[in-house]
Amino acid sequence: DQQVKQNSPSLSVQEGRISILNCDYTNSMFDYFLWYKKYPAEGPTFLISISSIKDKNEDGRFTVFLNKSAKHLSLHIVPSQPGDSAVYFCAAGVDRGSTLGRLYFGRGTQLTVWP
Amino acid sequence: KAGVTQTPRYLIKTRGQQVTLSCSPISGHRSVSWYQQTPGQGLQFLFEYFSETQRNKGNFPGRFSGRQFSNSRSEMNVSTLELGDSALYLCASSLAFLSPLSGRNTGELFFGEGSRLTVL
Repeated sequence: DQQVKQNSPSLSVQEGRISILNCDYTNSMFDYFLWYKKYPAEGPTFLISISSIKDKNEDGRFTVFLNKSAKHLSLHIVPSQPGDSAVYFCAAGVDRGSTLGRLYFGRGTQLTVWP
Repeated sequence: KAGVTQTPRYLIKTRGQQVTLSCSPISGHRSVSWYQQTPGQGLQFLFEYFSETQRNKGNFPGRFSGRQFSNSRSEMNVSTLELGDSALYLCASSLAFLSPLSGRNTGELFFGEGSRLTVL
């Protein structure tokens, strides 16, 4: 039961261009969303998040867009850099106020940024 | 500030054995969650502990269990190992989840590097 889906297992982008990673979800109860980045032999690291009351959140080169009606979110990286090459996981959760730590993850997208 | 520490990093077991994995959260973090990562399934939620109490449990069989100690350190145990249990087991800690709708904590989890379990 994959409630969070990343349909592209890989993405290849040239340095300096925009990387767009997509994520779809099925559970309409999700009301906050996160992106994590993972390098080989390391644990995932938090990148950026967005709550359902917003449709956009920016942090430097990273912007996350949320389209609730389409149950779709995307991560934009501009400009892309070789150091961004990693696996990116989309995650979602339900805000119950007391909810602690349960996130639903997509299967990840391997981003490769080439010079 | 030390990150989340997991031990052991790598281990090999045979079918039928049991294994215990350990996780030390970031100092001051009281919530600990465990996830299983496999190539086919991505990150799957196992369970979550806060103040020594299991708050949430994922869809895993009873062979998977865990606990949290008073110092917030956590262990997970897998009994009667099966080949399909081979995976990277990730522990994550957080201060506690505060509603992002109020603009506070975003529910960020800090992950350890994981324990790579191979079952032969």
